[in-house]
Amino acid sequence: EDQVTQSPEALRLQEGESSSLNCSYTVSGLRGLFWYRQDPGKGPEFLFTLYSAGEEKEKERLKATLTKKESFLHITAPKPEDSATYLCAVQALGQAGTALIFGKGTTLSVSS
Amino acid sequence: DTGVSQDPRHKITKRGQNVTFRCDPISEHNRLYWYRQTLGQGPEFLTYFQNEAQLEKSRLLSDRFSAERPKGSFSTLEIQRTEQGDSAMYLCASSQTGNQPQHFGDGTRLSIL
Repeated sequence: EDQVTQSPEALRLQEGESSSLNCSYTVSGLRGLFWYRQDPGKGPEFLFTLYSAGEEKEKERLKATLTKKESFLHITAPKPEDSATYLCAVQALGQAGTALIFGKGTTLSVSS
Repeated sequence: DTGVSQDPRHKITKRGQNVTFRCDPISEHNRLYWYRQTLGQGPEFLTYFQNEAQLEKSRLLSDRFSAERPKGSFSTLEIQRTEQGDSAMYLCASSQTGNQPQHFGDGTRLSIL
């Protein structure tokens, strides 16, 4: 069964304290891995898509990486406005254009 | 590009009533998805349209749920005879192709009294 596990469930950081979020996945064949940010009461906001092991994507203080079994979202020198829930999702081969399978998310809190 | 729009944002209803939600996707996105999200969980897939055709349904989509996308534009999700367990955030997403990322609306939060 295709599955996504995110850790930790919650992470508290001081402003400027870099860290990483983990997304482990089990999928019959990976079409793509997606990272989203979700603020309270809002829908998920797309951040990155990764398609193959070794691929990396960057946006401001965020960098996403992918291996054959997991993905990391690295946050460098976070600011309070980076506080949100970060969701990881996979799309399996043979399901193009269909279901994203999400993890439960990591809730990040950054204090000044 | 005004984003995915969902209406209403909040719906409170009594158990046993019928409710209908609307989703307007990003223009020219021919793929439209419905997901359900409960507190502390990631979104769970419900159903998917390519243009007006409903191509996939999750087993989560009981026979009390029905979705339509007439003319391949907006979509509606109806829940009949609502139950306490239907309380959740209902999210709509759209994408241009199967390989493009899905973009989400801000959802409709359903509360069952």
